[in-house]
This record gives sequence, structure tokens and C-alpha cells, in this order.
Amino acid sequence: DQQVKQNSPSLSVQEGRISILNCDYTNSMFDYFLWYKKYPAEGPTFLISISSIKDKNEDGRFTVFLNKSAKHLSLHIVPSQPGDSAVYFCAASTSGTYKYIFGTGTRLKVLA
Amino acid sequence: DTAVSQTPKYLVTQMGNDKSIKCEQNLGHDTMYWYKQDSKKFLKIMFSYNNKELIINETVPNRFSPKSPDKAHLNLHINSLELGDSAVYFCASSQAAYGYTFGSGTRLTVV
Repeated sequence: DQQVKQNSPSLSVQEGRISILNCDYTNSMFDYFLWYKKYPAEGPTFLISISSIKDKNEDGRFTVFLNKSAKHLSLHIVPSQPGDSAVYFCAASTSGTYKYIFGTGTRLKVLA
Repeated sequence: DTAVSQTPKYLVTQMGNDKSIKCEQNLGHDTMYWYKQDSKKFLKIMFSYNNKELIINETVPNRFSPKSPDKAHLNLHINSLELGDSAVYFCASSQAAYGYTFGSGTRLTVV
């Protein structure tokens, strides 16, 4: 039972355009969400987070949107750059549990 | 000055062997984790220690045993390795429950 789903295994975007990565979850107890970026042969690195008391969090070119009623979050990257090409994982947690459930990742390719 | 370091990076071993993967963090975090990424790319939590105390123990065969000598170290020992144990194992740490810092992974191949 996959509680966090990233239904698009891959996405290609032209440099300078917007990349939108999507993530759905099923557990209504999740109240903290993270996005991680992973390059080959490296561990995932933290990108941006959002708690359920907000519906948007922005950090430079990265914005995460949370729609609690739809149990959906998305990561927007504007403008996309070739260096953004990586696998992006969303992860969800219930506060204080220390356990994050990860999606299976979306491979983003930004074309120069 | 790597924040979370795990060794070795690659490990190839025969079925039935016993092996260990070491993890150390220099971030002063109080919680450490082991995650497994399988061939389908699922990242699943295996164990978590908070200040040397086991707080998460997912459904993992008891051939896997974590050991935390202090809060900066969390090692993973695997007995009687099986083909299905082949995966990438990631160590991570966090302060409280807010997000992880991951190590670069150990690719274990059982032949």
C-alpha cells in the first residue's frame, strides 16, 4: 500500500520553462511534506518543505503547493535549468513520528 | 567534512556472508536512520535510533541488526546475506523529526 505516490516516473522540460512535479498521498494524518532531489550515485538532498498549516512555500526558484483537501502537493521550478536534471522525491510524515514515507520519484530532464 | 558518511560505498559479497555498513554523522543530530532503496526505487525506512534508543523498527528480517554505539554512529549488520538484500542502503540523520540529511548510499550486491 503506497501511501505516497508520484505517478509520473519522468518529465522533460525545456530550459527556462516551468517544471511541475506532482505528488499524491492517501494518509490524512500526514502533516509535513518534503521534496528531495537526487543525483546519480549520491544521497537525496533536501530541497524544500511545507507543513499542513500552509498551502504554499517558496524558496528561490522552487515553490511547493499543498492542497490538503485533494491530498496533493506539487513542486514548481521556475525557470528550469539543466542542473535541475535529477530524480525528485516527495516525502510525507506525521509530526513527531520521525518516519517519512517516500514516493518513488520523478526523473526530471531539463533540455538545453 | 562530509555531514553523513557511510562506508563502504560499494559492497559485493556472496550469499550467506555476514557484512556491516557503517554510518557516521557530524551534524550533532539526535536521530539516525537506515533506509533501503530497492530495484523499484522505493525508499523504505528500516530503522531509526534516537539518542542510541531504537524508535522505529519496520518489518525487516531479523538478519538485519542496527547498532548505535553513540548518537553520532548507526551501523547496520546483515547476517546470512540473500540475493534479495541487493539494494542501495542510505543512512540519514535529523534533528527532531524535521527532514533528513542523507549519506551518499551503499550499493550492496549479493551474488
